[in-house]
Amino acid sequence: EAQVTQNPRYLITVTGKKLTVTCSQNMNHEYMSWYRQDPGLGLRQIYYSMNVEVTDKGDVPEGYKVSRKEKRNFPLILESPSPNQTSLYFCASSYTGGISYEQYFGPGTRLTVT
Amino acid sequence: QKEVEQDPGPLSVPEGAIVSLNCTYSNSAFQYFMWYRQYSRKGPELLMYTYSSGNKEDGRFTAQVDKSSKYISLFIRDSQPSDSATYLCACSEYNTDKLIFGTGTRLQVFP
Repeated sequence: EAQVTQNPRYLITVTGKKLTVTCSQNMNHEYMSWYRQDPGLGLRQIYYSMNVEVTDKGDVPEGYKVSRKEKRNFPLILESPSPNQTSLYFCASSYTGGISYEQYFGPGTRLTVT
Repeated sequence: QKEVEQDPGPLSVPEGAIVSLNCTYSNSAFQYFMWYRQYSRKGPELLMYTYSSGNKEDGRFTAQVDKSSKYISLFIRDSQPSDSATYLCACSEYNTDKLIFGTGTRLQVFP
């Protein structure tokens, strides 16, 4: 089954404790992206990757890191989480080439930072 | 001003009603217009997309784009309780992989 998986689905952590949210897709997509979704603000792009070893900042990259060492995986790293990073996070993937309107989303990771 | 504006709702309608969901955008370079549907505790899924202006129909759903007024719409005919979800509009420029999303409109269809 074609899918994007994320782990963990739910995470409660404390300020400053480094964490990683994993994302994996099995569709051989080149493009992968991380979003956060907040009430009243919608989906905002954090980072994206056009292919292996190619990453770039989205609209709200501060406080986040990513890496793309393999085509299928795109982990999101919070080196020192803060309460304003409490949010619902989605990983998405698609084919690239200019018309990748159909992004496939993972099930989401709800993060709470206390 | 956000590039894509969408009324957050919630919108509550009886089963069988015609639903109209709308977005406005400000970037004239947008060429692709999408509607994603997001059920509670799930990720968004592509519902429909339209290139440039015009209408597109898929079953009970019709997507409409008016580039002259920068206005995009999604109509749902004979709405069903299973249509209850948040609907997100999204836009993108030609030859780019980046989507700009609206904030989403929550729709509830009651029996």
